[in-house]
Amino acid sequence: DAEITQSPRHKITETGRQVTLACHQTWNHNNMFWYRQDLGHGLRLIHYSYGVQDTNKGEVSDGYSVSRSNTEDLPLTLESAASSQTSVYFCASSERLSGEQYFGPGTRLTVT
Amino acid sequence: AQRVTQPEKLLSVFKGAPVELKCNYSYSGSPELFWYVQYSRQRLQLLLRHISRESIKGFTADLNKGETSFHLKKPFAQEEDSAMYYCALTGAGGTSYGKLTFGQGTILTVHP
Repeated sequence: DAEITQSPRHKITETGRQVTLACHQTWNHNNMFWYRQDLGHGLRLIHYSYGVQDTNKGEVSDGYSVSRSNTEDLPLTLESAASSQTSVYFCASSERLSGEQYFGPGTRLTVT
Repeated sequence: AQRVTQPEKLLSVFKGAPVELKCNYSYSGSPELFWYVQYSRQRLQLLLRHISRESIKGFTADLNKGETSFHLKKPFAQEEDSAMYYCALTGAGGTSYGKLTFGQGTILTVHP
């Protein structure tokens, strides 16, 4: 079955380190999104992509970057991890730009 | 700028009681509204969207453009409805199309 996966599911890292979170989908969706989930803020959009070689900044993109070299993957990189980036990160994909998105299981990142 | 507000962080009801999760939005154009749900240890998933005008798991939501609201209602809550609920919005066109803006979320607990 087609699905969307994230790895790792849990990660602990130190302040200042570079971290990459993986997102892989097998639906062949053009649209992919990264969100962070924080209590009191809900989900906030970090970066998104509408296709290969296309990337765009979302609401809270500072300190994060993405690249889209193929349809299946949209890795999220924290250039220099900060404690404020401790959060749960969700990747999502969609076939159409209709608002119906399919979410991955999430990655819980702790920056110490 | 588009914004979604869910005024209640926590909502507790007893089984069989009616439940209403509030959602208000601000958007200058024509919005499309959604409710997403995250059950314990499950992925975030779409519950319903206003354009479908359907009832899912007994839940309904009506878009009230005059009051800029999209409240989620169920006449008789069940214990399995306990979850985190997010209201989300996307613009029906333009640069915000396909990008979701989420509210802060409401944790619903249905007591036996």
